[in-house]
Amino acid sequence: DVKVTQSSRYLVKRTGEKVFLECVQDMDHENMFWYRQDPGLGLRLIYFSYDVKMKEKGDIPEGYSVSREKKERFSLILESASTNQTSMYLCASSTREKLFFGSGTQLSVL
Amino acid sequence: AQSVTQLGSHVSVSEGALVLLRCNYSSSVPPYLFWYVQYPNQGLQLLLKYTSAATLVKGINGFEAEFKKSETSFHLTKPSAHMSDAAEYFCAVSFGNQFYFGTGTSLTVIP
Repeated sequence: DVKVTQSSRYLVKRTGEKVFLECVQDMDHENMFWYRQDPGLGLRLIYFSYDVKMKEKGDIPEGYSVSREKKERFSLILESASTNQTSMYLCASSTREKLFFGSGTQLSVL
Repeated sequence: AQSVTQLGSHVSVSEGALVLLRCNYSSSVPPYLFWYVQYPNQGLQLLLKYTSAATLVKGINGFEAEFKKSETSFHLTKPSAHMSDAAEYFCAVSFGNQFYFGTGTSLTVIP
């Protein structure tokens, strides 16, 4: 089975801190995604990547950046965390026909 | 443009009753359609998918969905709800390499 691993299940940070959320997949997928999930808003796409060193903005990229130096790893970076970035962050990798999700990182920014 | 609309952010059913979760999509080309389920404190897992084969798709845990092109719908059903079905359900459409999600429906099962 495909495994998508997010490094932290829960994370608490302070306003202004730089935050790194790490995601690793083990199935050699080219496509990787970062979503945030908020009640009543569903999943919103932050960034995605189709290949190493390639990135594309999703629907809500403001305040975020990403890094994909290796095919299996896709990192989400909050340059200066703010309270409105408190959310559940979901990483995924995909084939054409299926998205595989990690278990999520619940980030709280105080 | 591709989008997904889930009607009803909260649905409650009695144990043993029919489950019906509604999803309508818009897509400029024949879509791939998906239902994902998220149990409490877990990530999303695929329940079922439609990829232009049979219009009635069977998934895990007794769920199924029917693709109706004329109605642009892909509603999720289960004949008899079980307590373990309580979860958040997301409908999604894919186009190219992108996936677009609905806002989710929270299913409560009443004993």
